[in-house]
Amino acid sequence: QVQLQESGPGLVKPSQTLSLTCTVSGGSISSGSYYWSWIRQPAGKGLEWIGRVYTSGNTNYKPSLKSRLTMSVDTSKNQFSLKLRSVTAADTAVFYCAREDSSGYAFDIWGQGTMVTVSS
Amino acid sequence: SYELTQPPSVSVSPGQTASITCSGDKLGDKYACWYQQKPGQSPVLVIYQDRKRPSGIPERFSGSNSGNTATLTISGTQAMDEADYYCQAWDSGTVVFGGGTKLTVL
Repeated sequence: QVQLQESGPGLVKPSQTLSLTCTVSGGSISSGSYYWSWIRQPAGKGLEWIGRVYTSGNTNYKPSLKSRLTMSVDTSKNQFSLKLRSVTAADTAVFYCAREDSSGYAFDIWGQGTMVTVSS
Repeated sequence: SYELTQPPSVSVSPGQTASITCSGDKLGDKYACWYQQKPGQSPVLVIYQDRKRPSGIPERFSGSNSGNTATLTISGTQAMDEADYYCQAWDSGTVVFGGGTKLTVL
């Protein structure tokens, strides 16, 4: 079955760029009607959708984060990526990648999550 | 921006029925789904398209959505159902989550 795995630095300095990659295994990122999203969760708080990337390369971002975000997809590597610029301590969170079923309007598969701390 | 509102906490006795609500403007015109998240774990989809259960989700989980409110109902609640629950909907191409409800089984 399809699995997702996040990877990237666990510590990022303030004002720098947070970069994460999600690797899809057990199936092709290009097959089916799916979108590929990033979601974050600060410690003890709720879930926040960050944005999604389509296998076409098109993107949708949360409006409040749009100016700092870039998402991309590499179908040859079965991966999609997140870059969040100019980070502050408020960006410290567990970051999840997730598969979004376009017909179900829901996230049916999630990665295990990766903790990213913004600190000098 | 669109908002979904959930009660911070709900308590239920084992074997009883738990209901968790999610409110949003004309939410009934959108599809709602629900996730269960246990401490230290990733969220798990338990209801999608208002009332459908993914494979492997027990029948005691059910959902409804009408007007401004979606509801997750857990019948015959078990201790293992104690978790945080989040509702979610699409709005104008973006995704919105509710703030989450902590379900305590006591």
